[in-house]
Amino acid sequence: DTEVTQTPKHLVMGMTNKKSLKCEQHMGHRAMYWYKQKAKKPPELMFVYSYEKLSINESVPSRFSPECPNSSLLNLHLHALQPEDSALYLCASSQEQKRGDISYEQYFGPGTRLTVT
Amino acid sequence: GEDVEQSLLLSVREGDSSVINCTYTDSSSTYLYWYKQEPGAGLQLLTYIFSNMDMKQDQRLTVLLNKKDKHLSLRIADTQTGDSAIYFCAETPYGNNRLAFGKGNQVVVIP
Repeated sequence: DTEVTQTPKHLVMGMTNKKSLKCEQHMGHRAMYWYKQKAKKPPELMFVYSYEKLSINESVPSRFSPECPNSSLLNLHLHALQPEDSALYLCASSQEQKRGDISYEQYFGPGTRLTVT
Repeated sequence: GEDVEQSLLLSVREGDSSVINCTYTDSSSTYLYWYKQEPGAGLQLLTYIFSNMDMKQDQRLTVLLNKKDKHLSLRIADTQTGDSAIYFCAETPYGNNRLAFGKGNQVVVIP
């Protein structure tokens, strides 16, 4: 089973709203990722959690706040977003983040299509 | 630094072979991946190749790696309408935790 689930599938929110995106995997993976993807563009890395600790923050604005409550769950809290934040938000997981020259393939969820009005 | 380049649009007749190309600049990359993204969906890992290999075959998919030219290709045999998607190559350079994606190549299969 290589399934990563994400909820909700679609989300429309106003610029003053607070909402959360959720991601879950039950593969025992210890690294989880948030990506942002604009139409017809490759995904852009936002955050990486490794063993439930924030490992990488790609200088993402503070209106995006990640949280990893346990090894299976990853949340992305959204507050005071801008229309340009509208995009597909993808979650991914891998066995580990990376160890030396050993890479671990990342498995992606279906994404949450976010529209900020 | 890593810089992965891909061509943009490929139209293929159903039953023909498709070849998608990718050029990368970071020779330290240890793994190279191919992902498929259908409209409105997430990325599906298709296959990957370790940098000490020249070729990997997996059913209808053949990955070729030319390390000298830093060139990666994906051949899809007997292309089907379900193969219509955007295909991204990606690499993980040595010592870098990030997955670097190419720009993506859209494949349109014509019945």
